[in-house]
Amino acid sequence: DSGVTQTPKHLITATGQRVTLRCSPRSGDLSVYWYQQSLDQGLQFLIQYYNGEERAKGNILERFSAQQFPDLHSELNLSSLELGDSALYFCASSAKDRRLTDTQYFGPGTRLTVL
Amino acid sequence: EDQVTQSPEALRLQEGESSSLNCSYTVSGLRGLFWYRQDPGKGPEFLFTLYSAGEEKEKERLKATLTKKESFLHITAPKPEDSATYLCAVQATGGFKTIFGAGTRLFVKA
Repeated sequence: DSGVTQTPKHLITATGQRVTLRCSPRSGDLSVYWYQQSLDQGLQFLIQYYNGEERAKGNILERFSAQQFPDLHSELNLSSLELGDSALYFCASSAKDRRLTDTQYFGPGTRLTVL
Repeated sequence: EDQVTQSPEALRLQEGESSSLNCSYTVSGLRGLFWYRQDPGKGPEFLFTLYSAGEEKEKERLKATLTKKESFLHITAPKPEDSATYLCAVQATGGFKTIFGAGTRLFVKA
């Protein structure tokens, strides 16, 4: 158990709908990351937040948005869903170690199915 | 441009047959190189962080090594439960992004 929690575990919805995925980081971690992993594909970095502020952006679609709240939990909002958005969505959190490196610890993921 | 390339894409071993996975990277400056294990449908599980060339780390049957251009994950006498996808990632200095490779899928047959 990495200490990162994600809810829900599974989500089934229809095209055109909007969903919200939730992530709670490890205790003390200020950074939260979101990744998308489609079937048999690699991890695609979406976005990173640090202590409530957006820090880095990857290949995140305009239909997707995220935020990190004062209690450090994060939410990923996906709207106008398409069939191709079906994937595993992972959240990770990190804290800088003594070498100032961020080692990311991943949650169990949310499996999104768009029908 | 920062890049991470893993090889082979897939590796099939017999139980007890030792081998190595390769991770080649190109970054302006290395802050850290990471190895993860991922089982199907699960989140990546952290294995190692390596910081500088010459560094080595071990955990059970796994040993990770680092040079200035690549890292190897050596698997000694693997067991079927070692079957998984192994991911390599790098974090460069001067930025915040972590770049993941596509992974090596390892199959160990009893």
